Amino acid sequence: GAVVSQHPSWVICKSGTSVKIECRSLDFQATTMFWYRQFPKQSLMLMATSNEGSKATYEQGVEKDKFLINHASLTLSTLTVTSAHPEDSSFYICSANGLSATGEQYFGPGTRLTVT
Amino acid sequence: DAKTTQPNSMESNEEEPVHLPCNHSTISGTDYIHWYRQLPSQGPEYVIHGLTSNVNNRMASLAIAEDRKSSTLILHRATLRDAAVYYCILRLFLYSSASKIIFGSGTRLSIRP
Repeated sequence: GAVVSQHPSWVICKSGTSVKIECRSLDFQATTMFWYRQFPKQSLMLMATSNEGSKATYEQGVEKDKFLINHASLTLSTLTVTSAHPEDSSFYICSANGLSATGEQYFGPGTRLTVT
Repeated sequence: DAKTTQPNSMESNEEEPVHLPCNHSTISGTDYIHWYRQLPSQGPEYVIHGLTSNVNNRMASLAIAEDRKSSTLILHRATLRDAAVYYCILRLFLYSSASKIIFGSGTRLSIRP
């Protein structure tokens, strides 16, 4: 089946710095990718929809200037957490819809961000 | 979007069948029923989906009520590796690459050795 990868798998950064997380579709092209955030013991929360060649669409309550999304190619979307703070520490997961007509979605393995 | 309701948690014994229920009383005729699961510290993975008829694959079976207002994910012989959070999700039949998934709280399944 289709594979989505993320890099890095985990990252520790200092408060006030920025961190970039990459999401790649390895064997298919994804015009749309999705970014989720997950806090411990909670469900996934959709942050934004990443659109190749155009601006991302953010969910209500998500700061677009803090979570910068770039989808420069059909296989790569990046999420940059700017001026990170400890409350941004979370598990970030990306996904993309596969080629099946019924819309199976493929998820990356996640990136654990810890802001100290 | 139509919503789903699942029990917060369930527990089962290893090598026994597990039935995970999901209620979706406001489902529309254009909604597929999808199940995903999330193992600890991993991204979710697709399990199975269906529209009206019961479905089987190598991972599980999906039983859909005749009125489609509820469904049950069946793991025929649970193993410790099946311990995960299981999400029941409705997705539009008219698939678009931009169609997004909104996750509910899911059911946390624990397996006793």
